[in-house]
Amino acid sequence: DSGVTQTPKHLITATGQRVTLRCSPRSGDLSVYWYQQSLDQGLQFLIHYYNGEERAKGNILERFSAQQFPDLHSELNLSSLELGDSALYFCASSVATAQETQYFGPGTRLLVL
Amino acid sequence: DQQVKQNSPSLSVQEGRISILNCDYTNSMFDYFLWYKKYPAEGPTFLISISSIKDKNEDGRFTVFLNKSAKHLSLHIVPSQPGDSAVYFCAASDGGSQGNLIFGKGTKLSVKP
Repeated sequence: DSGVTQTPKHLITATGQRVTLRCSPRSGDLSVYWYQQSLDQGLQFLIHYYNGEERAKGNILERFSAQQFPDLHSELNLSSLELGDSALYFCASSVATAQETQYFGPGTRLLVL
Repeated sequence: DQQVKQNSPSLSVQEGRISILNCDYTNSMFDYFLWYKKYPAEGPTFLISISSIKDKNEDGRFTVFLNKSAKHLSLHIVPSQPGDSAVYFCAASDGGSQGNLIFGKGTKLSVKP
């Protein structure tokens, strides 16, 4: 158990819909990262928050957004969903930023029908 | 353009023998490298890391070697056990204030009894 929690574990929705994925980092960690793993793909970095502020963006679509709240939990919002958004979404946390080990949650499996 | 490459999609090893998983990278700015192990339907589990100022790091049965001039790192597992069967991901970070990880596509290790 990494100490990172993600909800829900599974999510099935329809095209055009909007969903919210939630992540609680390990106790004491200030950084939260979001990654997407599609079929046959490695993990792709989406976005990084540190202590409530956005630090870096990766290959994140404009239809996707995220935020980190004062209690340090984070939410990833996916809107106008398309079939191709079906993937595993992982959250990871670390104490700070550079040269820090990231600990991953169990992931949310999103299926868009 | 893949900055982190794991050229072997799969590897099969006999129990008790050494498993060697390889990873190449192209970005000379990477300064921190990690190996993760992943089972299906679970999040990646951190195994071992190495900073670019070192060329070797050891933790129990796991050793990571870094060859900066060749931009190559490897993970050695000795002795290999059936429970080591999983997908192994190599990841790299370019430090700075971001710290997001760039992952290879993984190598599936099968350890046969």
